[in-house]
Amino acid sequence: DAGITQSPRHKVTETGTPVTLRCHQTENHRYMYWYRQDPGHGLRLIHYSYGVKDTDKGEVSDGYSVSRSKTEDFLLTLESATSSQTSVYFCAIKRSENTEAFFGQGTRLTVV
Amino acid sequence: AQTVTQSQPEMSVQEAETVTLSCTYDTSENNYYLFWYKQPPSRQMILVIRQEAYKQQNATENRFSVNFQKAAKSFSLKISDSQLGDTAMYFCAFGTYGGATNKLIFGTGTLLAVQP
Repeated sequence: DAGITQSPRHKVTETGTPVTLRCHQTENHRYMYWYRQDPGHGLRLIHYSYGVKDTDKGEVSDGYSVSRSKTEDFLLTLESATSSQTSVYFCAIKRSENTEAFFGQGTRLTVV
Repeated sequence: AQTVTQSQPEMSVQEAETVTLSCTYDTSENNYYLFWYKQPPSRQMILVIRQEAYKQQNATENRFSVNFQKAAKSFSLKISDSQLGDTAMYFCAFGTYGGATNKLIFGTGTLLAVQP
């Protein structure tokens, strides 16, 4: 298994509270991604990173922010969680452009 | 913007038979790569096969092969001799060579059920 860990694995939070999900890798891969998976929508890209402090928006970035202060960590923050952000969140890493993306186990987030 | 379309939300196949999952994409790039990923009920994402756009030869991995039609922007996955363990959600993905930026875009998925 690629060294990629997501935490927490499950979380229930209340509407309006901030939430941070962590993706940690031990592979020293350059690229890191955050996706959300919802029925009928597949995997949608939220944000991605191509290096320390280098990030960019994906398809569904509204309401989310990210930070990457170290190669190994990519944090996804929901500043003020809403029920529409209830989803399964996946982190992925890639060594270089056309190489395989390795995925974490996913985080199931429920906003009540 | 690049998009990936999987028009078959669900498919079913009998064990030992062959099934083809379709994927089309839209891009103005000439150089790119494509993946098929499998997600079984465990939720783990597993790479099935990859294809470089500059390669004319279709990729093959054991029972899995692709039909890559660059002009038509089509990238279908053929599974031969289907097995019960092939039951999963299958995602098509598209990526570009972007130097610093490197998005990886997925389709909406096809849920494949292999029937005994």
